[in-house]
Amino acid sequence: NAGVTQTPKFQVLKTGQSMTLQCAQDMNHEYMSWYRQDPGMGLRLIHYSVGAGITDQGEVPNGYNVSRSTTEDFPLRLLSAAPSQTSVYFCASSYGNGELFFGEGSRLTVL
Amino acid sequence: AQTVTQSQPEMSVQEAETVTLSCTYDTSESDYYLFWYKQPPSRQMILVIRQEAYKQQNATENRFSVNFQKAAKSFSLKISDSQLGDAAMYFCAYRSPAYSGAGSYQLTFGKGTKLSVIP
Repeated sequence: NAGVTQTPKFQVLKTGQSMTLQCAQDMNHEYMSWYRQDPGMGLRLIHYSVGAGITDQGEVPNGYNVSRSTTEDFPLRLLSAAPSQTSVYFCASSYGNGELFFGEGSRLTVL
Repeated sequence: AQTVTQSQPEMSVQEAETVTLSCTYDTSESDYYLFWYKQPPSRQMILVIRQEAYKQQNATENRFSVNFQKAAKSFSLKISDSQLGDAAMYFCAYRSPAYSGAGSYQLTFGKGTKLSVIP
């Protein structure tokens, strides 16, 4: 009964380093998305996907890259990390008119 | 674009009392979904309650209920018999229906209300 699984849960990077946040879901959901959560800002959408091979930008896409090669996986890539990308990241999935199911979140610190 | 406003950054309630969290939203759509999510210190996002705009009846889940006023674009959450475990951040969120296109899957969140429960 895994649901949405995110790894890693914590990560510290230096400015300019790259990394990938992994996200996998086992519910066969068509929709997957990445949000970032910053104090006083709520959750803001970075990128989303409505199916394998289909991705689109959300509200705050700059500095992030995504791909969706399978229904299950939706990784988020930071190509050159910046301190402004210090945040908590959530992956979520959904079907039809259902609610979002969230992963446990990944806390990223960029020094 | 839709916007969601939670005007109370922080609230507190005595244990066993009732508290109401406010949420307003702006939309030109007539069909949509509204949600309340709870985020305890563990960081996990937990669905508390959902409301379909076409339903006039207010949703209820045990001690949690909503007051949905479609004309006023208001969606408040009432927590009855508050418990220590209710202490958390609460987020109100809006979603368009699936038939309105790919972007409809997105949730638009308010900035959250931090609820403290006083023993």
